[in-house]
Amino acid sequence: EIVLTQSPGTLSLSPGERATLSCRASQIISSTYLAWYQQKPGQAPRLLIYGASSRATGIPDRFSGSGSGTDFALTISRLEPEDFAVYYCQQYVDSPLRFTFGPGTKVDIK
Amino acid sequence: EVQLVESGGGLVQPGGSLRLSCAASGFIFSGYSMNWVRQAPGKGLEWLSYINSGSSIISYADSVKGRFTISRDNAKNSLYLQMNSLRDEDTAVYYCAKYDYAGNPKFDYWGQGTLVTVSS
Repeated sequence: EIVLTQSPGTLSLSPGERATLSCRASQIISSTYLAWYQQKPGQAPRLLIYGASSRATGIPDRFSGSGSGTDFALTISRLEPEDFAVYYCQQYVDSPLRFTFGPGTKVDIK
Repeated sequence: EVQLVESGGGLVQPGGSLRLSCAASGFIFSGYSMNWVRQAPGKGLEWLSYINSGSSIISYADSVKGRFTISRDNAKNSLYLQMNSLRDEDTAVYYCAKYDYAGNPKFDYWGQGTLVTVSS
């Protein structure tokens, strides 16, 4: 079973700063199968990034994803007030078919 | 506009059963796989179950296998989750999520969730 670890658990930053979130897999995974989601309090998750680096429809270009193998990252180039939220990475395994989420990184206002 | 609306949550005693529904609109429901994901209070996301468009491929997380059953009715544009033998630890917000593959698996749309509370 592949386990996803996200770090840091909490990232305290100010608006305008750059945020770099890490997602590490316990085994090599295909970048095709790595996605990132944003969740704000009281709201459903929202797809940000799929295929490790492709932005979902309507996602601002300040969000970018990168990585391969076991190490992946989500970068927010300049934090906007609406970006303070929890971010989850997710991976897909096709045999047996299952999905796994990381524990999340909370980005809060410093 | 894609819309997913969950219903059926509520308070249930341990050992009880509940059936969740997810009404879909704004896309060709019969053409897409669907998932259920839950989130316990203050915790992260947990994938529960997947069903493909024709209900021929179904998968469950180990935590719910044998207790929960996913199903769908394409004629009614609806997804279901039958939950039996409920435990305290099943207390969570339950989300349905549309699955899109197109080369990259992703949950591209989510409902707002329905709260299930398991308590005596």
